[in-house]
Amino acid sequence: DQQVKQNSPSLSVQEGRISILNCDYTNSMFDYFLWYKKYPAEGPTFLISISSIKDKNEDGRFTVFLNKSAKHLSLHIVPSQPGDSAVYFCAARSLLTGNQFYFGTGTSLTVIP
Amino acid sequence: DTEVTQTPKHLVMGMTNKKSLKCEQHMGHRAMYWYKQKAKKPPELMFVYSYEKLSINESVPSRFSPECPNSSLLNLHLHALQPEDSALYLCASSQAPTGTGLYEQYFGPGTRLTVT
Repeated sequence: DQQVKQNSPSLSVQEGRISILNCDYTNSMFDYFLWYKKYPAEGPTFLISISSIKDKNEDGRFTVFLNKSAKHLSLHIVPSQPGDSAVYFCAARSLLTGNQFYFGTGTSLTVIP
Repeated sequence: DTEVTQTPKHLVMGMTNKKSLKCEQHMGHRAMYWYKQKAKKPPELMFVYSYEKLSINESVPSRFSPECPNSSLLNLHLHALQPEDSALYLCASSQAPTGTGLYEQYFGPGTRLTVT
């Protein structure tokens, strides 16, 4: 039972344009959401997070938006750079489950120079 | 230092072998995790240790045996594995949850395990 879903397995974007990665979840008890970036042969690296009390969090070129009513979050990368090419995972956590993080299936982003 | 280290990077073992994966962090984190990741799939949680005690075991077969000797180290002992256990094994650490604490997990680079 996949509680966090990323319906687009891949995305290609031209360098300099905006990349939008989407994530949906089913558990309304999730209170904290994270995005991780993963290069081949490396572990996931934390990118940005958002608490359920906010609807937007920005860090440099990366912005995460949360729409709780739609149970949807998205990661915007502007402008996209070739070095952003990687697999992006969204993850979610509920305080009720403490240390348990639920991961989406990932979206492979390719930024074309 | 925000690094989680894992050894070995690659491991090939037969179905009758016994081997161990090691993970280390020096960030003062009191929660440590083992995940298994197959190609094109999300990381699957196996075990969570919180304050050196096993707090979550996601119905993992007994051929995988975790151990947390101290707050910086996490081991995964492997015995009598099957070819379908071949995967990338990721270790992660984080602060232990307290109240409404929001925290991220830091992942190691993983051990690529092949069972022949």
